Amino acid sequence: KQEVTQIPAALSVPEGENLVLNCSFTDSAIYNLQWFRQDPGKGLTSLLLIQSSQREQTSGRLNASLDKSSGRSTLYIAASQPGDSATYLCAVIGGSNYKLTFGKGTLLTVNP
Amino acid sequence: EAQVTQNPRYLITVTGKKLTVTCSQNMNHEYMSWYRQDPGLGLRQIYYSMNVEVTDKGDVPEGYKVSRKEKRNFPLILESPSPNQTSLYFCASSRQGDYNEQFFGPGTRLTVL
Repeated sequence: KQEVTQIPAALSVPEGENLVLNCSFTDSAIYNLQWFRQDPGKGLTSLLLIQSSQREQTSGRLNASLDKSSGRSTLYIAASQPGDSATYLCAVIGGSNYKLTFGKGTLLTVNP
Repeated sequence: EAQVTQNPRYLITVTGKKLTVTCSQNMNHEYMSWYRQDPGLGLRQIYYSMNVEVTDKGDVPEGYKVSRKEKRNFPLILESPSPNQTSLYFCASSRQGDYNEQFFGPGTRLTVL
């Protein structure tokens, strides 16, 4: 059974800092890995999708990497801003049912 | 605008009163699914559908039903809701195949008294 772990569970940083969020998964037989952002009580916004054949994806200040063989992904956020404060969720897509298996998320707070 | 919509967004109901949460997508996606989100448990899949008339159970299907009569719609049915189904529900859709980025609806917050 696939398990996804995100470390740290919570992170508080000053504005302007670069930061890294970590995600690990137990079964490397995945199609893709997707990073989401969730604001309190709101829906999930897709940030980046990394296909299993790719090593990284970039979107603006975000860069996500994938090391499928070791079961790890990182989300790098450059020059953090207070508007980046949210919960960041990592999910792997795998199996015959294309199911997303989510981590519990990292709650990020960027202080002005 | 490409989107997944859900209705209602908020619902308070009583035990045993049948309800339906609708989900619709305008991206012609084959794959649709339902998740529930609970504190401490994260997001878990309830049901999924690979295409019209093809549905199957996810990790936590007990107490729920779904149907997929049209490609764009995937309603979630609670025949006899119970308090343990109080949760935040999300519908998602994606293409089939290698690039299957999943898009989520805004969520439905359900309270069963």
